[in-house]
Amino acid sequence: NAGVMQNPRHLVRRRGQEARLRCSPMKGHSHVYWYRQLPEEGLKFMVYLQKENIIDESGMPKERFSAEFPKEGPSILRIQQVVRGDSAAYFCASSPPTVPVGYTFGSGTRLTVV
Amino acid sequence: TQLLEQSPQFLSIQEGENLTVYCNSSSVFSSLQWYRQEPGEGPVLLVTVVTGGEVKKLKRLTFQFGDARKDSSLHITAAQPGDTGLYLCAGEWGLGNMLTFGGGTRLMVKP
Repeated sequence: NAGVMQNPRHLVRRRGQEARLRCSPMKGHSHVYWYRQLPEEGLKFMVYLQKENIIDESGMPKERFSAEFPKEGPSILRIQQVVRGDSAAYFCASSPPTVPVGYTFGSGTRLTVV
Repeated sequence: TQLLEQSPQFLSIQEGENLTVYCNSSSVFSSLQWYRQEPGEGPVLLVTVVTGGEVKKLKRLTFQFGDARKDSSLHITAAQPGDTGLYLCAGEWGLGNMLTFGGGTRLMVKP
């Protein structure tokens, strides 16, 4: 998974706090995707971004969740007022804008809400 | 919503056995990818198939994309303990669109 950097690897938040997850895509990749994975389950799409644009956020909960990919800096997935059900592994992936060559995933951020 | 169904969900076999994992959808995908995920890590891309009927080989792994581009299979020959992991298929439609993942097949190969 070298190339897509996610931090932190582990994040513990109390109910009601905010969680900020960061993702730096591979060099040359302009497309960023966020996925959520619950234990023993597959990956669920959340949001697809390009620089300064949200392309598809159909998988994002309507409240408390937001994502951005600014012109400079990493992509941020922000969860406000976290609840226990937000506990999961959050993966970021990036891809180039050309033919489908597959996504490169980061190692994920494991969020635990206590 | 595009759905991908993987089977079996769980597979426990002895070293040296062969196995096949299936991935099926009612939708036509522009490409289909297979990933392998180990505990505590993100998925790692194994192969991308884009042409109906395409077959790709990666050492002991053989990947096939159905003629109608709605299904795919992963065949492992002479499985080894190092093949243990979660195998995920993922479908993509259009360029740059998001991937839809199957539920995964959890493989355990016992020595």
